[in-house]
Amino acid sequence: DVKVTQSSRYLVKRTGEKVFLECVQDMDHENMFWYRQDPGLGLRLIYFSYDVKMKEKGDIPEGYSVSREKKERFSLILESASTNQTSMYLCASSSRGRSPLHFGNGTRLTVT
Amino acid sequence: AQSVTQLGSHVSVSEGALVLLRCNYSSSVPPYLFWYVQYPNQGLQLLLKYTTGATLVKGINGFEAEFKKSETSFHLTKPSAHMSDAAEYFCAVTPNSGNTPLVFGKGTRLSVIA
Repeated sequence: DVKVTQSSRYLVKRTGEKVFLECVQDMDHENMFWYRQDPGLGLRLIYFSYDVKMKEKGDIPEGYSVSREKKERFSLILESASTNQTSMYLCASSSRGRSPLHFGNGTRLTVT
Repeated sequence: AQSVTQLGSHVSVSEGALVLLRCNYSSSVPPYLFWYVQYPNQGLQLLLKYTTGATLVKGINGFEAEFKKSETSFHLTKPSAHMSDAAEYFCAVTPNSGNTPLVFGKGTRLSVIA
């Protein structure tokens, strides 16, 4: 079974802090994705990557950056956390092409 | 651009009743379609998918969905609801070309009443 592991289930940070959300997958997937999930808004794509050291902006990249130095790891970075970034963050991975996504269990981030 | 509309943000059914969750999509090319389920405090897991071929697709936990091109729909059904089906369900589409991320609907929360 594909396993996508997000480093934290719950995280509380202060406004202005730099925040790192880590995601690791164990199935040698080429593609990795970061979504945020908010009530009534569904899932919104922040960034994605189709290869190491490669990144593409999704629908809502403002205030975020990403890093993919190794194939199995995709990090989401909040350069200066703000209260409107309080949300559930979901990482996903897939093999090349139009394959299904495999999701981690999510990180619920609260910014105070 | 692709888009997905899920009709009804919240659906409530009695235990044993038919479950019907609606999904309509727009896509300029033949799509791949997916249904995902999310249980509380968990990530999403794949229920079923349509790529090509047979338009009636069977998934896990007794769910199935039918791709209707003429109606641009991919509704999810289950003949008899169980309490354990209470969850949030997401429909998603990706065009049948290129390496394009999935586009998700906003989700439908299913409640099952005893």
